[in-house]
Amino acid sequence: DAMVIQNPRYQVTQFGKPVTLSCSQTLNHNVMYWYQQKSSQAPKLLFHYYDKDFNNEADTPDNFQSRRPNTSFCFLDIRSPGLGDAAMYLCATSRDRRFSYEQYFGPGTRLTVT
Amino acid sequence: TQLLEQSPQFLSIQEGENLTVYCNSSSVFSSLQWYRQEPGEGPVLLVTVVTGGEVKKLKRLTFQFGDARKDSSLHITAAQPGDTGLYLCAGYNNAGNMLTFGGGTRLMVKP
Repeated sequence: DAMVIQNPRYQVTQFGKPVTLSCSQTLNHNVMYWYQQKSSQAPKLLFHYYDKDFNNEADTPDNFQSRRPNTSFCFLDIRSPGLGDAAMYLCATSRDRRFSYEQYFGPGTRLTVT
Repeated sequence: TQLLEQSPQFLSIQEGENLTVYCNSSSVFSSLQWYRQEPGEGPVLLVTVVTGGEVKKLKRLTFQFGDARKDSSLHITAAQPGDTGLYLCAGYNNAGNMLTFGGGTRLMVKP
């Protein structure tokens, strides 16, 4: 049974056209993360929600926003995608933020910007 | 900023060979995780090590956490084509609230 679900799996958008990626979880975890992963690189944390508390990484561009309307869903909004934003976007969850709680990843959404 | 360096970055071996992947840092981590990621999929957690010197085995995979909790290794015995993928180590800082990923090791096992 899928625990972290990402839709769509593949997304094509045009340069500058806003796009939203979605993530849902059936684990009832408190924390949801968004990572960006470019080809052959490690995942890079963009931000995370601890319950309703939004935590942005210092180097995450303002172009990236997130919403978490409830425990189960979290969205990644890219307001004006550039060619450099083409990447795999990974959603992950954990029960809590402390190290004893493992992160579970979704399958990712591969974003192409034309 | 805590950094994790993985080596080698790329590894191509024949089926049946053994291999070791290393994950090193100058910082202490409260725990370290290993993930395997297949193309087009998200990382899948393989193991978490918490105690310095800890060794965990998962079938043909052996994971070790360094005594000082600054490094870790993954050893695969008799590699199989199904082991092909990107192996990522990731460590939690001492506060336990930030997970840092290494750069990954891309493994290809040829039949």
